[in-house]
Amino acid sequence: KNEVEQSPQNLTAQEGEFITINCSYSVGISALHWLQQHPGGGIVSLFMLSSGKKKHGRLIATINIQEKHSSLHITASHPRDSAVYICAVSLSSNYKLTFGKGTLLTVNP
Amino acid sequence: KAGVTQTPRYLIKTRGQQVTLSCSPISGHRSVSWYQQTPGQGLQFLFEYFSETQRNKGNFPGRFSGRQFSNSRSEMNVSTLELGDSALYLCASSLGQRYNEQFFGPGTRLTVL
Repeated sequence: KNEVEQSPQNLTAQEGEFITINCSYSVGISALHWLQQHPGGGIVSLFMLSSGKKKHGRLIATINIQEKHSSLHITASHPRDSAVYICAVSLSSNYKLTFGKGTLLTVNP
Repeated sequence: KAGVTQTPRYLIKTRGQQVTLSCSPISGHRSVSWYQQTPGQGLQFLFEYFSETQRNKGNFPGRFSGRQFSNSRSEMNVSTLELGDSALYLCASSLGQRYNEQFFGPGTRLTVL
């Protein structure tokens, strides 16, 4: 079993829809990261959080440490949000980043 | 502020050769981490350097090595290339505290023939 599990693996939405991507982890962590990767490879860090909730524009990330679960929400989705979203955790034992397999999001106009 | 740069962006090598990839972190960042991304395994941590010292290492064979220079620039080397080493190699820099936000470079796409 992977230490970081994401769901769904693929997600197709219509422009304007509210989107949720989930991440569950089974290890002790010091922080959780949400990353965005567009076709071509470049990765952008969206959020790094260790508790609570963070918001940046239309993106919201939450984490529940007790349940070992995080969610990434996109409000009013847009075709430019189409990308792979990757959840990663910094292990509390050695701070190494361990990644989920990613969620491929496609937003249709 | 300039972002993380990686050179070269694309590389084609044959089995048995060796390759060196370079990463220049954001100015002021002292930590550089390297990752391998493949369709099958996804993103995997290779190693992390901080102040010219390897601070962390992933589960890769000894053919994969790296180093960091006094200006925080980092190189990774893969010797005796195998077909399975074909991947996107990404580096990321951060200020240096253990769980600082990481800033990724564009990656080097290595193809081994």
